[in-house]
Amino acid sequence: KQEVTQIPAALSVPEGENLVLNCSFTDSAIYNLQWFRQDPGKGLTSLLLIQSSQREQTSGRLNASLDKSSGRSTLYIAASQPGDSATYLCAAVPNTGNQFYFGTGTSLTVIP
Amino acid sequence: NAGVTQTPKFRVLKTGQSMTLLCAQDMNHEYMYWYRQDPGMGLRLIHYSVGEGTTAKGEVPDGYNVSRLKKQNFLLGLESAAPSQTSVYFCASSTGLAREQYFGPGTRLTVT
Repeated sequence: KQEVTQIPAALSVPEGENLVLNCSFTDSAIYNLQWFRQDPGKGLTSLLLIQSSQREQTSGRLNASLDKSSGRSTLYIAASQPGDSATYLCAAVPNTGNQFYFGTGTSLTVIP
Repeated sequence: NAGVTQTPKFRVLKTGQSMTLLCAQDMNHEYMYWYRQDPGMGLRLIHYSVGEGTTAKGEVPDGYNVSRLKKQNFLLGLESAAPSQTSVYFCASSTGLAREQYFGPGTRLTVT
């Protein structure tokens, strides 16, 4: 079974700082990996989806990379803003599976 | 375009009671999913559907039943609620397996 880990569980940074969130997965045979944002008391919002054949995806200030051989994905947030404060989750879909396996998320606080 | 909606938003049940959670999507998606989110556990898939009239078990299906009588609706039933089913339940939909998932706002269920 795919295990997905996100460390740290919580992160606090000053506004304007560039930051990296980490996601590790145990089975490198993944079909794709998706990053989500979750605001308190709300559902998940999809940020980026990386296919297994891709190395990275970009959307605005966000850049997600994928290294299947090392079982890692990173989400890079440039010039962080207080509005970026939320929990960020990653989810991996294995080649043999038909569902997303989620990490427990990193809670990000951007201090003005 | 409401996206994915869930009814109700909150519910308190007593042990042994039954209830049905309703998920509706207006994006004409074929695939729909039910997840539960628990502290420290991440999101876990309960059941999913690949089309009208079809359902399949996910990672944690015990104690739940589902039905997909109409393409736009996916129902999650608890026949005899247990305190272990206290959780936040999320519905999601997508155009295909492993495609980008769109989430509802969640239902917070407490079983006493």
